[in-house]
Amino acid sequence: SQTIHQWPATLVQPVGSPLSLECTVEGTSNPNLYWYRQAAGRGLQLLFYSVGIGQISSEVPQNLSASRPQDRQFILSSKKLLLSDSGFYLCAWEVGTFTYEQYFGPGTRLTVT
Amino acid sequence: DQQVKQNSPSLSVQEGRISILNCDYTNSMFDYFLWYKKYPAEGPTFLISISSIKDKNEDGRFTVFLNKSAKHLSLHIVPSQPGDSAVYFCAAKGSGSEKLVFGKGMKLTVNP
Repeated sequence: SQTIHQWPATLVQPVGSPLSLECTVEGTSNPNLYWYRQAAGRGLQLLFYSVGIGQISSEVPQNLSASRPQDRQFILSSKKLLLSDSGFYLCAWEVGTFTYEQYFGPGTRLTVT
Repeated sequence: DQQVKQNSPSLSVQEGRISILNCDYTNSMFDYFLWYKKYPAEGPTFLISISSIKDKNEDGRFTVFLNKSAKHLSLHIVPSQPGDSAVYFCAAKGSGSEKLVFGKGMKLTVNP
């Protein structure tokens, strides 16, 4: 069965510090991968998605970036965090053939202080 | 421009009664619709979906209805249980797109 992992679960970082969140998927190959953010009291905002290794599409201009160095690994990064980067970050995967359901990881709660 | 709208932020129902969660969309290119359930501090879990070629899909206590002419879908939960208390997100996908567009979510509270 497929499993998606995210770490860390919780993170508190000062403004201006770097960020690296990692997501890995097991039990599937060549998935579409997604990074979302849920800010307090708001819905799910798509940040990045990837349909293959090295292929990244950005949805929202910001100081975040994403990379996909391996088929089942998706990394969200920032060189300098802002207060507004606080939120709940979710990674999701989708096997893009004849099914459109996305399956989410457990999420990372990021607080920028 | 919000393409998927969940206009009611919350709903409270009694255990055993029906819960009806509504969702409206504006993009006529959407052809697949999904409902997700989310507990606090957890990732959303997929509940049920419907293709635009159908107007109803049922899975146990959950039924999704799609009215394409009105660009409206709804999720019915019957009977509602306290464990159904969560935030529910409506999502839509367009033909040929890799992206889901989510609504802002609706908090359902089922009272014992």
